[in-house]
Amino acid sequence: DVKVTQSSRYLVKRTGEKVFLECVQDMDHENMFWYRQDPGLGLRLIYFSYDVKMKEKGDIPEGYSVSREKKERFSLILESASTNQTSMYLCASNPVEQGYDEQYFGPGTRLTVT
Amino acid sequence: RKEVEQDPGPFNVPEGATVAFNCTYSNSASQSFFWYRQDCRKEPKLLMSVYSSGNEDGRFTAQLNRASQYISLLIRDSKLSDSATYLCVVTLDSWGKLQFGAGTQVVVTP
Repeated sequence: DVKVTQSSRYLVKRTGEKVFLECVQDMDHENMFWYRQDPGLGLRLIYFSYDVKMKEKGDIPEGYSVSREKKERFSLILESASTNQTSMYLCASNPVEQGYDEQYFGPGTRLTVT
Repeated sequence: RKEVEQDPGPFNVPEGATVAFNCTYSNSASQSFFWYRQDCRKEPKLLMSVYSSGNEDGRFTAQLNRASQYISLLIRDSKLSDSATYLCVVTLDSWGKLQFGAGTQVVVTP
C-alpha cells in the first residue's frame, strides 16, 4: 500500500512564526503536491514538485515556499504565519508515468494560526 | 469563476435509494476526469476515473458529457457507508495537476 505521512495532525502556531510542514512518501513517487483545503473552496494547489530540488508554483503560492532535498520528502514552509493561513494542509504524491493521474494523499495537518 | 463547480448538498438519501449529482468544469481543454471520495476528517481517495463512454464500478456509474462540460456520478442501492463528500476532479495537463471541486456531501439515512 502507498503510504503518505505528514508530520503532525494538528498544529497551533502564532502569527509571525515560521512553520514547517513535512510530508514523506514511501513509494518512490516522483511527483509530490501540497494543497490546502477550506470549506466551500475545495482543495487548492499551493506548490508541486516533479523531481528532487524541482518545484513549481500552483494556484496559490503566495506566503508559502517548499523544499525537496530528497525524493521521498516534500516540505511546506510558511515563512511568517498569518491567520488567513489557518487551514487543512494535505500532501499528495503520484508516479510520473504518463496518464497516471491518481494522487495518494496523506492524512492532513490542521493548522491553526492565532 | 471556479474551474470546477459542484452542488455542495447535502443530498439526504434513504438507504437503498439512488442518488445522482453533477459537476461542471469550465475549461474545455480538460483532459481527464475523476471522482474522489472524502470521508469526514479523512483524506481524499480515488473512487473512480470517468471515461468518455461512461463507466460503472459496482453500484457507482460515472458519465462524461464533453459538449456540455459536465460529469455525473450515480450511486445505486445506497449504503450507510456511502455517506461522504464526493469530489469532482479534472486535469488540465499531463503533469498530474488536479483541479478539485469543493465537493458534494451525501448523507445516507437508515
